[in-house]
Amino acid sequence: SQQGEEDPQALSIQEGENATMNCSYKTSINNLQWYRQNSGRGLVHLILIRSNEREKHSGRLRVTLDTSKKSSSLLITASRAADTASYFCATESNYQLIWGAGTKLIIKP
Amino acid sequence: DAGVIQSPRHEVTEMGQEVTLRCKPISGHNSLFWYRQTMMRGLELLIYFNNNVPIDDSGMPEDRFSAKMPNASFSTLKIQPSEPRDSAVYFCASSPGTYSEAFFGQGTRLTVV
Repeated sequence: SQQGEEDPQALSIQEGENATMNCSYKTSINNLQWYRQNSGRGLVHLILIRSNEREKHSGRLRVTLDTSKKSSSLLITASRAADTASYFCATESNYQLIWGAGTKLIIKP
Repeated sequence: DAGVIQSPRHEVTEMGQEVTLRCKPISGHNSLFWYRQTMMRGLELLIYFNNNVPIDDSGMPEDRFSAKMPNASFSTLKIQPSEPRDSAVYFCASSPGTYSEAFFGQGTRLTVV
């Protein structure tokens, strides 16, 4: 089942620009996670933010969580060609990870 | 650790044949998930095991699909008989526990002709 809704569905930006992706969800959560999937590969975990956290950083990644609005954003700063991939949010609730449809990010050189 | 290992990476089979997908989770992880990914339906959870016990199989599409986890280091997903609409990429993922990140295998790309 899918709960998260990523926005936008696709995003194309120039290398060096920042990329922002959003995720909305419906039910209460224990945590929210972001994953990256390169074409033809498995998903790779990027960052996990717990329901009592509001912001988290990891390298060029910044994630925010607003539980009152049931939404999260993933910011990738100073994008690189290697960031080209699909990005998924997943909400963890009752042991399950519930996935969104993903945002396809293309970084143009 | 080598990560989650799935085999085969690619499988092409004829309609009606039995297909068995295999997964070796990361050692020490007690949660295992089977997912199916298609362009139309995205990523779907098929079944979830905790400590080798199936906890939630509500995502298994039909009786043609079955999954087992005979021990902590091995799981199978079987489709019998296979149909063209089963064509998808099947992922296995493991996790050290609840409220934790999932580690995915590279997937098995199944084509049923």
